[in-house]
Amino acid sequence: NAGVTQTPKFRILKIGQSMTLQCAQDMNHNYMYWYRQDPGMGLKLIYYSVGAGITDKGEVPNGYNVSRSTTEDFPLRLELAAPSQTSVYFCASRPLGTDTQYFGPGTRLTVL
Amino acid sequence: EDKVVQSPLSLVVHEGDTVTLNCSYEVTNFRSLLWYKQEKKAPTFLFMLTSSGIEKKSGRLSSILDKKELFSILNITATQTGDSAVYLCAGTYTGTASKLTFGTGTRLQVTL
Repeated sequence: NAGVTQTPKFRILKIGQSMTLQCAQDMNHNYMYWYRQDPGMGLKLIYYSVGAGITDKGEVPNGYNVSRSTTEDFPLRLELAAPSQTSVYFCASRPLGTDTQYFGPGTRLTVL
Repeated sequence: EDKVVQSPLSLVVHEGDTVTLNCSYEVTNFRSLLWYKQEKKAPTFLFMLTSSGIEKKSGRLSSILDKKELFSILNITATQTGDSAVYLCAGTYTGTASKLTFGTGTRLQVTL
């Protein structure tokens, strides 16, 4: 199993550009999450999904969108990138029956 | 608002020392507390604690939860330079999504 994979690893965007951060998991986990981590801070939840076709907002959803058309994939879309979205983005997944989430390697995004 | 507070913010110790990291939480309908280790990339899972007073142990690491006083500690004995990392604590609540509320982490540096 590859676990949770994320692409790209790094990206630099200009203000106003859009992009999609990809996340995939091959563990057949129902639950998937997107977090952002700013320097020296803990992780903050952006969006989450409890299964294909179902998504919901987390603590900091503004400026982002998600979709979950399959169990495996949970892309995060940034529209009109802003410098405040400079951060490291982590995707995570979790199986039924436990609270333990498993994280992908992260995407470091810089908006200039 | 759910809140998780970790202390100290950072710590420098010598190899072989024992360290105790603290985590206090205020999570509505608390269900479990998780510890993760983060070494410049994705958080990796260490422990999940749900029951008060029961110690979880893995090698030189151990953790315990006090549900009455709303805190947890992570102990590392005989520290090694490979223990240098940020240690994150997160609380989750009773509910289908098991969203995690993270603390800001404790940065541990182990020197020779």
